[in-house]
Amino acid sequence: EAQVTQNPRYLITVTGKKLTVTCSQNMNHEYMSWYRQDPGLGLRQIYYSMNVEVTDKGDVPEGYKVSRKEKRNFPLILESPSPNQTSLYFCASKRQVQETQYFGPGTRLLVL
Amino acid sequence: GNSVTQMEGPVTLSEEAFLTINCTYTATGYPSLFWYVQYPGEGLQLLLKATKADDKGSNKGFEATYRKETTSFHLEKGSVQVSDSAVYFCALFAGGTSYGKLTFGQGTILTVHP
Repeated sequence: EAQVTQNPRYLITVTGKKLTVTCSQNMNHEYMSWYRQDPGLGLRQIYYSMNVEVTDKGDVPEGYKVSRKEKRNFPLILESPSPNQTSLYFCASKRQVQETQYFGPGTRLLVL
Repeated sequence: GNSVTQMEGPVTLSEEAFLTINCTYTATGYPSLFWYVQYPGEGLQLLLKATKADDKGSNKGFEATYRKETTSFHLEKGSVQVSDSAVYFCALFAGGTSYGKLTFGQGTILTVHP
């Protein structure tokens, strides 16, 4: 089944404790991105990647890092999480820039 | 820059009622327009899309028409069901230097009662 998977689905952590949210797609898509969803703000792009080893900032990149060492994986790294990063995070992928994006199930993060 | 504005929610309807969720956009060029749906506890799923002016996207009884003259892409359904309860997002893809980014509206919560 073609899908985007994320892990973990739910995470509670404390300020300053480094964490990684994994994202994997099995569709051989070149383009991947991370969004965060906050009430009243919709989804905002954090980072995106157009291919292996090619990443760039989205609209709200502060406090986040990403890497793209393999085509299928695009982990999101929070080096020192803060409470304002409490949010619902979605990974997405698509084959080409012009095509429809497929979203993962989301990761709900609470930073205390 | 690009932006999407959706009608304020939440929207509460009775089963079989008519649904309209308004969406207007601001973008340079000729964006593609999308409606995504998020069911409780799930990720976003593409509901329908339109890629050029006057195109009508449709799926599962939902429809939306790309109106360039009014920069709108309103979502409609003639008879909603309880199973349509979800959050609906309007989004655009402007191409060019946006590198595939979707610009989303704030989302509209729809609740349908039996």
